[in-house]
Amino acid sequence: GNSVTQMEGPVTLSEEAFLTINCTYTATGYPSLFWYVQYPGEGLQLLLKATKADDKGSNKGFEATYRKETTSFHLEKGSVQVSDSAVYFCALCTGGGNKLTFGTGTQLKVEL
Amino acid sequence: DAGVIQSPRHEVTEMGQEVTLRCKPISGHDYLFWYRQTMMRGLELLIYFNNNVPIDDSGMPEDRFSAKMPNASFSTLKIQPSEPRDSAVYFCASSQQGSGSYEQYFGPGTRLTVT
Repeated sequence: GNSVTQMEGPVTLSEEAFLTINCTYTATGYPSLFWYVQYPGEGLQLLLKATKADDKGSNKGFEATYRKETTSFHLEKGSVQVSDSAVYFCALCTGGGNKLTFGTGTQLKVEL
Repeated sequence: DAGVIQSPRHEVTEMGQEVTLRCKPISGHDYLFWYRQTMMRGLELLIYFNNNVPIDDSGMPEDRFSAKMPNASFSTLKIQPSEPRDSAVYFCASSQQGSGSYEQYFGPGTRLTVT
């Protein structure tokens, strides 16, 4: 079956630090990959996505590259801000019923 | 577009009472998903619908939980009777198969507290 593994949190960084949140997956077929972000008190919202190998998704300074050879989709940002403090979820979909398989989420805390 | 709408945003009830959560998906979306989020178990898929038909309810915890989708613009998740362990944030999400992107759009959630 499908599964997503994310690094444990919380991750605490100083403002302007470099961010990496690791995500690896197991899937049948060729999944689409996603990063969702959940700000405090809100629902999840799509941050970025990639639909095929070697695609790079990017949004709001965040990037992630679909690496088929390592089955990974690590999230990166060159310089984080306090406003990036949130929980980040890696997810995949293999198309069966539009059903997403989510990782457990990684909480990011950015301090001044 | 108003996005996915959920009501109520907060619900506090006593153990044994019936609770009904409501969701209005984005117009034109043909998939609807109900999730539950807790600190202990994270984000769990409870049930999802395609064209108003339940496709997979294997995540519904027990018979106290039921979900319906009488039409394309409305769904309910009911808990009867409620128990303190049902306290969680319940999210509704919708998506459109025809878009090809599989992106799900989440509502703001209903925070349920059962005392």
